[in-house]
Amino acid sequence: QLQLQQSGPRLVKPSETLSLTCSVSGGSISDNNYCWGWIRQSPGKGMEWIGNIYHSGSTYYNPSLKSRVTIFLDKPKNQFSLKLTSVTAADTAEYFCAREIGGAPRIDSWGQGTLVTVSS
Amino acid sequence: DIVLTQSPDSLAVSLGERATINCKSSQNILYGANDKNYLAWYQQKPGQPPKLLISWASTRESGVPDRFSGSGSGTDFTLTISSLQAEDVAVYFCQQYYSTPLYTFGQGTKLEIK
Repeated sequence: QLQLQQSGPRLVKPSETLSLTCSVSGGSISDNNYCWGWIRQSPGKGMEWIGNIYHSGSTYYNPSLKSRVTIFLDKPKNQFSLKLTSVTAADTAEYFCAREIGGAPRIDSWGQGTLVTVSS
Repeated sequence: DIVLTQSPDSLAVSLGERATINCKSSQNILYGANDKNYLAWYQQKPGQPPKLLISWASTRESGVPDRFSGSGSGTDFTLTISSLQAEDVAVYFCQQYYSTPLYTFGQGTKLEIK
């Protein structure tokens, strides 16, 4: 049974960098049938896809966030991570890591979610 | 971007009755080459991440009760719960994956018991 366990700070100051990690168990991030993504959810914007990464390291980002987002793999640790720079209050949201079915990305497994608040 | 608009925003249905949620796409999401609609439905219960219910507009995921069904094609889609159970109280989202990798979600429909 695949499990995605998120970790990272829940409070980030404005202009700083949001960093979250997703640890994968019960499966491998090197499985080429899937890619690994981040989605966020807020009352104002609903569900918003942030980006994803394939086992090859290829990344795709939402154009609205592309200049501030990095997603990367740590294969030895079977983890993938999100960095979002220069955060503002508008980045306050619940962040989810996810496994996306490759080629036609529906999300078949989700992390538990991390509510990140941007505030001084 | 492809915009998905769900209706209604909230819905109250009596136990055992039918619940119907609509999702309208701003663009056609039927891929002609394989005749598949690139639409999924998710269920999100309070305090939980979403759960994938239906792919390809009408294919139930393994373990999903058969009271859940999806229909529609092109730009107009429907999620139907044939006989509402108490455990079906949740927010339901549609998602299009036609414009991969940039996929988008509907705003959600909150389903409650009347």
